[in-house]
Amino acid sequence: GNSVTQMEGPVTLSEEAFLTINCTYTATGYPSLFWYVQYPGEGLQLLLKATKADDKGSNKGFEATYRKETTSFHLEKGSVQVSDSAVYFCALSGAGGFKTIFGAGTRLFVKA
Amino acid sequence: SQTIHQWPATLVQPVGSPLSLECTVEGTSNPNLYWYRQAAGRGLQLLFYSVGIGQISSEVPQNLSASRPQDRQFILSSKKLLLSDSGFYLCAWYRQTPMNEQFFGPGTRLTVL
Repeated sequence: GNSVTQMEGPVTLSEEAFLTINCTYTATGYPSLFWYVQYPGEGLQLLLKATKADDKGSNKGFEATYRKETTSFHLEKGSVQVSDSAVYFCALSGAGGFKTIFGAGTRLFVKA
Repeated sequence: SQTIHQWPATLVQPVGSPLSLECTVEGTSNPNLYWYRQAAGRGLQLLFYSVGIGQISSEVPQNLSASRPQDRQFILSSKKLLLSDSGFYLCAWYRQTPMNEQFFGPGTRLTVL
């Protein structure tokens, strides 16, 4: 079945450091891929998405590229801020399916 | 535009008491609806989903149940809460086009003592 694996956290960075959170997936067909962000005490918000191979999703300085050959969708940001501290979830949704499969989440702490 | 509401925002209940959490969606019709639980420091666990009124699918056998009495209303219930039911409960709805995307409510923090 479909699954998502993302790097365990927590990840602790200093402000302005480079961020990478790894995500790999297993799926049949051509799923849509997502990164969601959860700020403390809140629900999840969609951060970015990509629907086909080589698509790059981007938002708020974050980027992720849909790599079918490596079944990966790593999240990156060139310079993190304290306000980026949150839990980040990688997810996929299969073509024609209505279930979204989430990774376990990676908690990011950014220190000033 | 579509919005999703959950209440209450926080809840503290004793073991053995009943539970009712409500989720409503505005601005769309016949949405797929979902209940997730997020235990402390852990990922999302899909509990129930519904594709229409009265149609409920359970993903994980447990102490909870769900109902969908109206098109845009989704209720999570329990007759007797357990300590292990504590967690952050999230409701979501799904939009197939254009991106197979889920939209989440603000969540309910449940503490069972």
